[in-house]
Amino acid sequence: EPEVTQTPSHQVTQMGQEVILRCVPISNHLYFYWYRQILGQKVEFLVSFYNNEISEKSEIFDDQFSVERPDGSNFTLKIRSTKLEDSAMYFCASSRQGETEAFFGQGTRLTVV
Amino acid sequence: AQSVSQHNHHVILSEAASLELGCNYSYGGTVNLFWYVQYPGQHLQLLLKYFSGDPLVKGIKGFEAEFIKSKFSFNLRKPSVQWSDTAEYFCAVWGSGNTGKLIFGQGTTLQVKP
Repeated sequence: EPEVTQTPSHQVTQMGQEVILRCVPISNHLYFYWYRQILGQKVEFLVSFYNNEISEKSEIFDDQFSVERPDGSNFTLKIRSTKLEDSAMYFCASSRQGETEAFFGQGTRLTVV
Repeated sequence: AQSVSQHNHHVILSEAASLELGCNYSYGGTVNLFWYVQYPGQHLQLLLKYFSGDPLVKGIKGFEAEFIKSKFSFNLRKPSVQWSDTAEYFCAVWGSGNTGKLIFGQGTTLQVKP
């Protein structure tokens, strides 16, 4: 069964450093998403991406965040200068169409120290 | 703004007990509704979904949910839980007109005692 894969599973970084979280969505999917879950809190939407551009983003997704689909298979989330409050589990998801079932990856636990 | 509220944050049950997890959403338009489950150390998996039609939907592993439009609710049920159902459960809604945003509830941690 096809699945969304994310790497790394856990990343520790120092405050102020740049991090890139990587995702390989399901191959025939067209919509891609990033969500995050701060420990003990709800899963929050960050950004959706379709047709090589951002289709929607939340207020969390400020100038420090960017997404890219560099090669037609990977979908990356970059945080330019990490802050302590960026520590969270980041989930990538993809769907064949918008508003239909989204398939989630296992997540990357980002710890900013 | 759309929101999803799950009433129970932490539920502890014994095996064979019945389960009902509450979920209410606020959105006036057409919605697609989902329950996701996250087993320890694993990714979010879809349990069931409602798009249209029969408001009682059946999902995997014996779970079902009922969409009650008048109550803006989509409660998850299982008649008899097993220890392996220990997980975190998330209700989510996708409102029409959204270009791609699932709104999640805060999640309910279910602990089933053997």
